[in-house]
Amino acid sequence: QVTLKESGPVLVKPTETLTLTCTVSGFSLSEPRVGVSWIRQPPGKALEWLGHIFSDDDKSYNTSLKSRLTISKDTSKSQVVLTMTNMDPVDTATYFCSRMSYRGTYLFDYWGQGTLVTVSS
Amino acid sequence: QSVLTQPPSVSGAPGQRVTLSCTGSSSNIGAGYDVHWYQQVPGTAPKLLIYGNTNRPSGVPDRFSGSKSGTSASLAITGLQAEDEADYYCHSYDHSLEGYVFGSGTKLSVL
Repeated sequence: QVTLKESGPVLVKPTETLTLTCTVSGFSLSEPRVGVSWIRQPPGKALEWLGHIFSDDDKSYNTSLKSRLTISKDTSKSQVVLTMTNMDPVDTATYFCSRMSYRGTYLFDYWGQGTLVTVSS
Repeated sequence: QSVLTQPPSVSGAPGQRVTLSCTGSSSNIGAGYDVHWYQQVPGTAPKLLIYGNTNRPSGVPDRFSGSKSGTSASLAITGLQAEDEADYYCHSYDHSLEGYVFGSGTKLSVL
C-alpha cells in the first residue's frame, strides 16, 4: 500500500527558509521511472507544481520558483525533502507531495494528505 | 494565472451528464502531451481520476470518461451523483515552461 506523508512547520516567518519532509512507504525511492513531486495549493486556489526528483537523482523545478527551491532525497530513510528560501505571505499554502509514475507519461498517482504552511510574522 | 484554462464552475442535477473543459496551447496539450484529471473534495488531497487522456485507474467508475482534441481536453461525467460534487483539475506538461502545469480548476455542484 503506497502512502506519502508530509511533515514540517505549520508557521514560518517572512524571509525564513521552509523545510518540509515527505516520508513514503509502499514503494522505494530507488525504483526506476518513479519520482516524487512537490505541489502546493494556496487557500481557495489552484494546484501549482513546484518540482520533482527521480530515483537517478534527476531533478526539475518550476522555473518561476527555481532560485528558491531545492529538492533532495534520502533513499535509505524513504524521505524526500523540499526547501524553499525567503518565504513570503504569498507562499501560504497546503503543500502536497505526490508519487510520480510512468504510464506512457508521468502522472501523480498517489498523494500525501498535505500540510498547511502559513507565512506570517 | 494557470496555463490550462478551466471554467470556474459547472453544475448539474442528479442523473444528468456534464462536461468539464480544459483549454491549453501549442506548448502543452496541443504539442501532444497527455492530459490527466484529478478530483479533489475540499479539505482532502487530489485523487487521480483519468490518466493518459482517456484511461481510468482501477476503482474509478465508468461514469467518468476523458477525451482530447487539438489544444483542449474534456472530462465527462454521466449519471451525476451527489458524491461527485468536488473540484476537478486537469494536468499536462508544458515544453516552453519545461514543467508540469495544472488547470485553474472547476467546481462541480450537484443541484
